[in-house]
Amino acid sequence: DQQVKQNSPSLSVQEGRISILNCDYTNSMFDYFLWYKKYPAEGPTFLISISSIKDKNEDGRFTVFLNKSAKHLSLHIVPSQPGDSAVYFCAASGGDYGGSQGNLIFGKGTKLSVKP
Amino acid sequence: EPEVTQTPSHQVTQMGQEVILRCVPISNHLYFYWYRQILGQKVEFLVSFYNNEISEKSEIFDDQFSVERPDGSNFTLKIRSTKLEDSAMYFCASSTGTAGEKLFFGSGTQLSVL
Repeated sequence: DQQVKQNSPSLSVQEGRISILNCDYTNSMFDYFLWYKKYPAEGPTFLISISSIKDKNEDGRFTVFLNKSAKHLSLHIVPSQPGDSAVYFCAASGGDYGGSQGNLIFGKGTKLSVKP
Repeated sequence: EPEVTQTPSHQVTQMGQEVILRCVPISNHLYFYWYRQILGQKVEFLVSFYNNEISEKSEIFDDQFSVERPDGSNFTLKIRSTKLEDSAMYFCASSTGTAGEKLFFGSGTQLSVL
């Protein structure tokens, strides 16, 4: 049961342009959503999160938008830099599956390539 | 920034053998976790640990798995009798436990069961 879906396995963007990574979820009871970035041979690194009571959170070049009615969130990176090239995971916590805050449900990830 | 450290980075074992994966969480964190990622698949939650006991575990975390905090710094995952399907990258993570707070992940241990 894929509660968190990232339907695009890869995305290629030109340096300086906007990268938009998308994530859909099915469980309306999730209360936090998080984005993690992962480089090869490293663990996931937290990027940004958003509470389900908000619709936008911004941190520097990274902005996450949450559309609860559509059960959709997106991560915008602007401007994109070559160092942003990594796999980006969407994750959710809370919900009626009984998960605690540390029990994150991850999507499959989207591999972002930012070309110079 | 403080780090979660995991050892070894790679572990090769024969099917049926016991393995212990080791982690040193961030020192002021109270919640500890193990996740795994089978090649090409999602990162999956295995278990969370708080106050010296398991607070939650997934269906993956069966009787072959156990966790322990043997001293004030280490957090271990033991697989008693490894199977081929246990081959995966295992990530340890820790947090202070605040709702919605980020987890800090280690770099992982790549376990290969032959």
